[in-house]
Amino acid sequence: QVQLVQSGAEVKKPGASVKVSCKASGYTFTSYGISWVRQAPGQGLEWMGWISAYNGNTNYAQKLQGRVTMTTDTSTSTAYMELRSLRSDDTAVYYCARTDNHDLYFDYWGQGTLVTVSS
Amino acid sequence: QTVVTQEPSFSVSPGGTVTLTCGLSSGSVSTSYYPSWYQQTPGQAPRTLIYSTNTRSSGVPDRFSGSILGNKAALTITGAQADDESDYYCVLYMGSVLFGGGTKLTVL
Repeated sequence: QVQLVQSGAEVKKPGASVKVSCKASGYTFTSYGISWVRQAPGQGLEWMGWISAYNGNTNYAQKLQGRVTMTTDTSTSTAYMELRSLRSDDTAVYYCARTDNHDLYFDYWGQGTLVTVSS
Repeated sequence: QTVVTQEPSFSVSPGGTVTLTCGLSSGSVSTSYYPSWYQQTPGQAPRTLIYSTNTRSSGVPDRFSGSILGNKAALTITGAQADDESDYYCVLYMGSVLFGGGTKLTVL
């Protein structure tokens, strides 16, 4: 069965960086993309970007350009999302989601990783 | 900047039918935007309901259906049940991915 298992909760200070992992299993990793979606407390879902696990191509949300980097390690079927220069409004639950490259939707989700940015 | 619009809240009676919509601040939603719909209950990861306008994701009951109604994408729930009480988000692909603000559905 398809599973996406994310790394644990993080607490960071403003200005620091965080790197969240998402380990995939149950499918051919390189046949799908991975998207990252975040949700601030009490708010809606926000798309952060997408990476092709096949060739590493990326597409980032404009508001995060320059602060976010998404990568994959095909040897371990793991995707990573690094966010730099953290601010308090980056406090959120971060989700990875398997992305169907043909129908352009998220079909399986990770359990979420809470990142708290606080001094 | 294009904004995806959804009703902030909606209410339906148990057993009733409700249609949630997903529009654009400018322009019409079409199938070429690959509308998809997600359900989320508090503290849980989203669950995929509908993709490519009207295709149900695996395991989703057929009382959930998607369509284009006029210039918007729509999610219709027929025979609403208590556990349908959730937040519902639509997503459009327009070169990048845009989430709607979500609709909080109450079943009472």
